Amino acid sequence: DVKVTQSSRYLVKRTGEKVFLECVQDMDHENMFWYRQDPGLGLRLIYFSYDVKMKEKGDIPEGYSVSREKKERFSLILESASTNQTSMYLCASSLWNVGSGNTIYFGEGSWLTVV
Amino acid sequence: SQQGEEDPQALSIQEGENATMNCSYKTSINNLQWYRQNSGRGLVHLILIRSNEREKHSGRLRVTLDTSKKSSSLLITASRAADTASYFCATDKRGGGGNKLTFGTGTQLKVEL
Repeated sequence: DVKVTQSSRYLVKRTGEKVFLECVQDMDHENMFWYRQDPGLGLRLIYFSYDVKMKEKGDIPEGYSVSREKKERFSLILESASTNQTSMYLCASSLWNVGSGNTIYFGEGSWLTVV
Repeated sequence: SQQGEEDPQALSIQEGENATMNCSYKTSINNLQWYRQNSGRGLVHLILIRSNEREKHSGRLRVTLDTSKKSSSLLITASRAADTASYFCATDKRGGGGNKLTFGTGTQLKVEL
């Protein structure tokens, strides 16, 4: 069965802290994604990765970076957390290019509050 | 700006009724997908329709796609309380950025007993 696991379900961090959100998939998928979800704004793509050590910016990359050292793991990094980064973060993966009709599998989400 | 916009933003119906949600998008697409999200959880894929298809069925779900109007609709027939969730359409842009799925803002469906 397909599984995308986000290590932290709820986090509270202070402004200026460095924050790591970890995501692991067990499906040998090529592509991994980080989205953030905010009320009224839907899901917005932060970064995605189509291979180990490869990454591309999504629609809102500012204030974030990512790391993909192993195929199954994709980390989202907030270098210096700010209150406007309080949100729900969703990790996802897909086998191949979504433009070819592949679906995305999501994790359960990480609720981050920055105080 | 959002590629997909769902309408209505919220919908409340009685169990047994049909629920229809609409999605509009702005650019040409390869595929359109619908996802469901239970409160506080991740999204789950429901159905995919390709740009050369006009209608697709899966169980109680029926999806239509009108590429000339850049719109899609999701119909849930004989709704159940367990269908209460948010529903999102997602599109990929034709001709590039094929690894990106852009999501709309979602329709919140509430099915009451």
